[in-house]
Amino acid sequence: DAGITQSPRHKVTETGTPVTLRCHQTENHRYMYWYRQDPGHGLRLIHYSYGVKDTDKGEVSDGYSVSRSKTEDFLLTLESATSSQTSVYFCAMARTSGSDTQYFGPGTRLTVL
Amino acid sequence: QQQVKQSPQSLIVQKGGIPIINCAYENTAFDYFPWYQQFPGKGPALLIAIRPDVSEKKEGRFTISFNKSAKQFSLHIMDSQPGDSATYFCAASMDQGAQKLVFGQGTRLTINP
Repeated sequence: DAGITQSPRHKVTETGTPVTLRCHQTENHRYMYWYRQDPGHGLRLIHYSYGVKDTDKGEVSDGYSVSRSKTEDFLLTLESATSSQTSVYFCAMARTSGSDTQYFGPGTRLTVL
Repeated sequence: QQQVKQSPQSLIVQKGGIPIINCAYENTAFDYFPWYQQFPGKGPALLIAIRPDVSEKKEGRFTISFNKSAKQFSLHIMDSQPGDSATYFCAASMDQGAQKLVFGQGTRLTINP
């Protein structure tokens, strides 16, 4: 809604296959984040980016990698999907650091069979 | 390791009542405490946030109360309406660099007409 979209919105895949989720923003925000949402866990940070080609790990980064080659795009890759990665994935953006508002995308529901 | 604990998991209140959602944190380095509201099928959206230098913050019908010594904070919704029915998440982060939010588990709030 605030200039941030995710694709695909839904995906079903099989264990062991690679999966890439895309987050695209049109606000020229510097910071971008990937979270996963699971019942009983709230949202947990996977990876984040503080600029083009600048990324770092979050709380639950194992099994995930990210890339940011352009300000507007932040990709999340599952190199070899596992059933434990079945989740709803949200990306978010923020203009600056610190206490600036994070704006979330609409989410991608991923099912790994 | 869950650094922000949120309760209750679910809450049902009659219209006009005052639902209260509580959160407790462990890391004393946290200095930014936002609350997010999420409707089904949507991404979370910032509702209200507080910093530890104040004990209370109001925005419309929403109030955050903050107790630094107890490491607890809570959300109160005055004159609750059916449209407030949503899932609410508290979160915490350090106000330096990237905003690496640590979320509570979430509270599903239902306001009955």
